[in-house]
Amino acid sequence: QVQLQESGPGLVKPSETLSLTCTVSGYAIYTSSYYWGWIRQTPGKGLELIGSIYYDGSAYYNPSLESRVAMSVDTSKNQFALRLTSVTAADTAVYFCARLGWNDGPDFWGPGTLVTVSS
Amino acid sequence: VVMTQSPPSLPAILGQPASISCKSNQSLVHIDGNTYVSWYQQRPGQAPRRLIYKTSYRESGVPDRFSGSGSGTDFTLKISRVEAEDVAFYFCMQGTHWPQTLGQGTKVEIK
Repeated sequence: QVQLQESGPGLVKPSETLSLTCTVSGYAIYTSSYYWGWIRQTPGKGLELIGSIYYDGSAYYNPSLESRVAMSVDTSKNQFALRLTSVTAADTAVYFCARLGWNDGPDFWGPGTLVTVSS
Repeated sequence: VVMTQSPPSLPAILGQPASISCKSNQSLVHIDGNTYVSWYQQRPGQAPRRLIYKTSYRESGVPDRFSGSGSGTDFTLKISRVEAEDVAFYFCMQGTHWPQTLGQGTKVEIK
């Protein structure tokens, strides 16, 4: 069974960088056919795909966040990561990592992690 | 692509049908002929679970009281007979156009 688990700080100061890691078990990231993505959920804006990355490092970002987002993958650790720079209170959200196809939505999700942006 | 989901809250009656709508502002028919609409269930404190993919294909293990339908821009998730365990947050997602976008969600509770 594929399992994903997010990890990282639950509190980030405004203007700083949010960094999260997703550890995948039960499936090798370097296996082709799937992408690995980040989705966030806020009370105000609802659910939003942040971006997705392929095992070879090819990354695709939501245009609404593209200028502040970077994703990376570490196949040796079976992990992928998210960095979101210059955060504001609007970036406070539950962040999910997930496995998804290019067109198909995610089939496996992590449980989510709440990140609060506050001084 | 904007996915407009309704209603935001659905008071359902046990044993009765319930349905949730998602409408997109452009056609979700992909050039490959598929229509990439998925439906998810998120119980409190749990990760989302995919129920339906490609509009109407049910995931393995999903009860057959859940069904997905629709075409073009209008899509529906139906629960034929609501059970207590169906209390959850449901949302749709389109994958035809990049970036994939999601509906605002529907909170299903028992009336």
